[in-house]
Parts: sequence; structure tokens; C-alpha cells
Amino acid sequence: EPEVTQTPSHQVTQMGQEVILRCVPISNHLYFYWYRQILGQKVEFLVSFYNNEISEKSEIFDDQFSVERPDGSNFTLKIRSTKLEDSAMYFCASGHRGSNQPQHFGDGTRLSIL
Amino acid sequence: GDSVTQMEGPVTLSEEAFLTINCTYTATGYPSLFWYVQYPGEGLQLLLKATKADDKGSNKGFEATYRKETTSFHLEKGSVQVSDSAVYFCALAHGSGNTGKLIFGQGTTLQVKP
Repeated sequence: EPEVTQTPSHQVTQMGQEVILRCVPISNHLYFYWYRQILGQKVEFLVSFYNNEISEKSEIFDDQFSVERPDGSNFTLKIRSTKLEDSAMYFCASGHRGSNQPQHFGDGTRLSIL
Repeated sequence: GDSVTQMEGPVTLSEEAFLTINCTYTATGYPSLFWYVQYPGEGLQLLLKATKADDKGSNKGFEATYRKETTSFHLEKGSVQVSDSAVYFCALAHGSGNTGKLIFGQGTTLQVKP
């Protein structure tokens, strides 16, 4: 069964540095998402991406964040000038059109900001 | 805004016990409802879904019925196994025309003891 893959599984970065989290969605999916789960808290929506542009973003997704689909297969989340509170598990997901279609999630990248 | 509320955990049961995890939601319109499961060290996996009122989703012995009158989607299983130990997330996604972003409950940890 096709899977969403994320790399790296764990990223440790100094505060203030830039990080790029990478995802390879399922190949025939058209909708892509990033979610975040701070330790012990609920999974939170960050951003959705369709047709090479952001379709929706949350209040969390400020100017510090950006997403890109550079080559038709990868889907990346960039965090500029990381802060301690960015430490979390970041999940990538992909899906077909329509809210009744389930999203498929990767195993996540654990981001630790020191 | 839309929200999902789950019963607080952790829930600790003996093997073969009956499981109920309560989930209620607040949303405009007619959302689709999902249960996702997260096993230790893994990403979120779709467990089951229901897309309209009175639909029953089922998978691996788990069931949940979309109750519009009580805005609920409680998860049940007649006889749990040790392998069911995981974190369970209730989630909703909105209807057509929306990006399909998922709004999650806070998650309920289930621990099943032999």
C-alpha cells in the first residue's frame, strides 16, 4: 500500500536556525497538508496546499513558515529562525479531493529546538 | 469555530473488556467524522470514518455511529486486545468546497493489560 514518507525522523536544531522538513506524499494525491503536535497536546492543522498554492492556513502558520512543492513529488515545510516553542512532532498528510476522503499521514518528524 | 472534544484518558482496560471512547463535536453544516489511531512511534492511521448522519464506520472490530442529534461519534469495541493499546483521535473535516483540513480532539490514550 502506498505510504506518505517523511524525512528526517528526528531533527535537532539550534534556536534561530532554519529547518526544512521533507515529505513525499502518495503519488496520485492532489491535496497536501502539514500538522503539528506539541508534546502532550492535540494535533493542530498548519496548512493545506493544492494546485501549487496554499489553500488554507491556520493562525500558527505565520511568516516564519513556508511550504513548497519543488519538483512534483516532494512537499516541504520550511521554518525560518526557529524558536523553542517550535519543538513538536510535524506530520505531513496527503489525500484526494473532498473532505469525506481520509488523509494519509506520514510517521512524522520530531523537531527539537535547543 | 469548529471543535472536537474527547473523553480524557488514559483509559486502562483488561484484555477482552468493552471499550467506549466518547467524542462530541461542534461544527456548522455536515462534517465528515473520523477516528485515527496512533501506535507508539508511528504516525496517524485512519481507523474508520462516517460521512453523513446515521452512518456507521467500522474496522478491525471498532465501530462508531455518526449521531447528528447528539453531535457525537463515540468509538466502541466489544473485546479489546493488548495490541489495541494506542492513542485514539477523533476528528472532523468539513463539506465540499472546503480544503478538507482535519480538526482533532485531544486524543485518548488506551492501555490494555493482559
